[in-house]
Amino acid sequence: GAGVSQSPRYKVAKRGQDVALRCDPISGHVSLFWYQQALGQGPEFLTYFQNEAQLDKSGLPSDRFFAERPEGSVSTLKIQRTQQEDSAVYLCASSGGLAGTYEQYFGPGTRLTVT
Amino acid sequence: KNEVEQSPQNLTAQEGEFITINCSYSVGISALHWLQQHPGGGIVSLFMLSSGKKKHGRLIATINIQEKHSSLHITASHPRDSAVYICAVGGGSQGNLIFGKGTKLSVKP
Repeated sequence: GAGVSQSPRYKVAKRGQDVALRCDPISGHVSLFWYQQALGQGPEFLTYFQNEAQLDKSGLPSDRFFAERPEGSVSTLKIQRTQQEDSAVYLCASSGGLAGTYEQYFGPGTRLTVT
Repeated sequence: KNEVEQSPQNLTAQEGEFITINCSYSVGISALHWLQQHPGGGIVSLFMLSSGKKKHGRLIATINIQEKHSSLHITASHPRDSAVYICAVGGGSQGNLIFGKGTKLSVKP
């Protein structure tokens, strides 16, 4: 497809489980962003890749969160030992360059519910 | 204080009304984005602007860089315009967006 895709769309995890969320960006987009959106809130930045390089991970809430983009295309956000406060929609976006001057294209998100 | 503030948080309008959503920001930016989010989570980019005014169909976005303020207008609103409208600014060294909390718009027939 032509857009950003994410999988799974919905994930229910028991507290303490590890989860992996996948993002397929638009082909050729060098920049990839992960955002976390809590219910009723705007998205918040988690981490940013330019090609395979993770240039900023300042938004990751704890060391249980880990993201990678080994070949500069598909990215995976991993959450270890999930907690209830991790419940949110995780959005992936890609762009042809820096978000300041390039439009960002968002995936549909993965809704994570930790029980 | 949030770096991006939107008002109002919630807005209910009758079909046909003219709608304005406001956004103020406190950081230096290279561009401001208006986004639309429908129930279910999908986000669509409506506008990206760094100066002046842009128009697309019934939607108009304006920005005043000196005042650090932007507005999104919807003319002749329709129930299908019901969504959350999010203002976001870009311009950090890594290029990520900083988002407002969104304005939930409900247009009644």
